[in-house]
Amino acid sequence: DIQMTQSPSSLSASVGDRVTITCRASQGITNYLAWYQQKPGKVPKLLIYAASTLQSGVPSRFSGSGSGTDFTLTISSLQPEDVATYYCQKYNSAPGPAFGGGTKVEIK
Amino acid sequence: EVQLVESGGGLVQPGRSLRLSCAASGFTFDDYAMHWVRQAPGKGLEWVSGISWNSGSIDYADSVKGRFTISRDNAKNSLYLQMNSLRAEDTAFYYCAKIGASRQYNYWFDPWGQGTLVTVSS
Repeated sequence: DIQMTQSPSSLSASVGDRVTITCRASQGITNYLAWYQQKPGKVPKLLIYAASTLQSGVPSRFSGSGSGTDFTLTISSLQPEDVATYYCQKYNSAPGPAFGGGTKVEIK
Repeated sequence: EVQLVESGGGLVQPGRSLRLSCAASGFTFDDYAMHWVRQAPGKGLEWVSGISWNSGSIDYADSVKGRFTISRDNAKNSLYLQMNSLRAEDTAFYYCAKIGASRQYNYWFDPWGQGTLVTVSS
């Protein structure tokens, strides 16, 4: 089975900072990768799919890149409302979808 | 507006059964695969099971295979998860999630329901 590993598991940054989260697949998954944001006490929300396609309504400060085994989610200018846990998810390969362990983003 | 509303969660003893439901509205239900994803309190996301739009494809995570059964009733716009032989480690919020594109199966999830909490404890 393909394993998804995120790093770091948590980070603290200042408002306005550029934040980068990494997701690594144990095998190549082309661009079959999505990113979700889960704010405290809330339901996960889709941010990005196909590694780099921004979901409608998601602020443009969020971006995704990568293919194969290495992917990144970047927040170009961290805002207070971005405090959340972010998950990557691989799809379109057996046996089923799989999530990374999550990255908790806090404001310094 | 797409809405997914889960129900059926609660406190159950180890070894007992529970059936979760997910009522869908705001989209053509029988065009979309549906999945269940769970999250233990304070933990990460774990995919549980998925079912294609016509029930022709069904998959389970190894952790629930043989104990959980996913099904759907397209006439009722509803998704179900029958959970048998429940264990303490099944304690989690259970979310139903719609696949992000029609006639796809193993894809991204959008949106998610609000979740229903299952607590397995004696």
